[in-house]
Amino acid sequence: KQEVTQIPAALSVPEGENLVLNCSFTDSAIYNLQWFRQDPGKGLTSLLLIQSSQREQTSGRLNASLDKSSGRSTLYIAASQPGDSATYLCAVYGQAGTALIFGKGTTLSVSS
Amino acid sequence: DTAVSQTPKYLVTQMGNDKSIKCEQNLGHDTMYWYKQDSKKFLKIMFSYNNKELIINETVPNRFSPKSPDKAHLNLHINSLELGDSAVYFCASAMGSQYTEAFFGQGTRLTVV
Repeated sequence: KQEVTQIPAALSVPEGENLVLNCSFTDSAIYNLQWFRQDPGKGLTSLLLIQSSQREQTSGRLNASLDKSSGRSTLYIAASQPGDSATYLCAVYGQAGTALIFGKGTTLSVSS
Repeated sequence: DTAVSQTPKYLVTQMGNDKSIKCEQNLGHDTMYWYKQDSKKFLKIMFSYNNKELIINETVPNRFSPKSPDKAHLNLHINSLELGDSAVYFCASAMGSQYTEAFFGQGTRLTVV
């Protein structure tokens, strides 16, 4: 059974720092991995989708990498800003006909 | 234009009542999902429909019944509400292929008192 773990559970950094959020999954047979952002009391906003054949995806200050063989993904945020404060969720899509399986998230706080 | 919209956003109701949550997507997707986010913020799949056909039905009490009148709509009806049903319920959609991006609604916060 696929399990997704995100470390750390919470992270506080000063504005301007570069940071890395980690995601690991137990079954490397995934089709894709998606990173989301959730603001308090809000829905999920899709940040990046990495398909199983890809190694990384970039969007603005965000870069996500995927290493299927080791069951790991990282989300790199460059030059963090207070507006980046949110919970970041990693989710993997495993076998066909299933659904995204989520980690418990990393809550990021960026102070000005 | 909201891609995945849910109504209502907030729902407060008494134990034993029956309630429904509606979801609509205008993305042209053929697969829709219901997820439950518990008090610890953990998201778990409940149901999935593809072209109006039930694909996933996780271990959910049969008081929960999804209905998909067409590909753009997936509603969730809950009978005999219990305190433990209090959570945030999210609707999501994607194209049927497992290679595509999933989009989520803003959530419905259900509080059972």
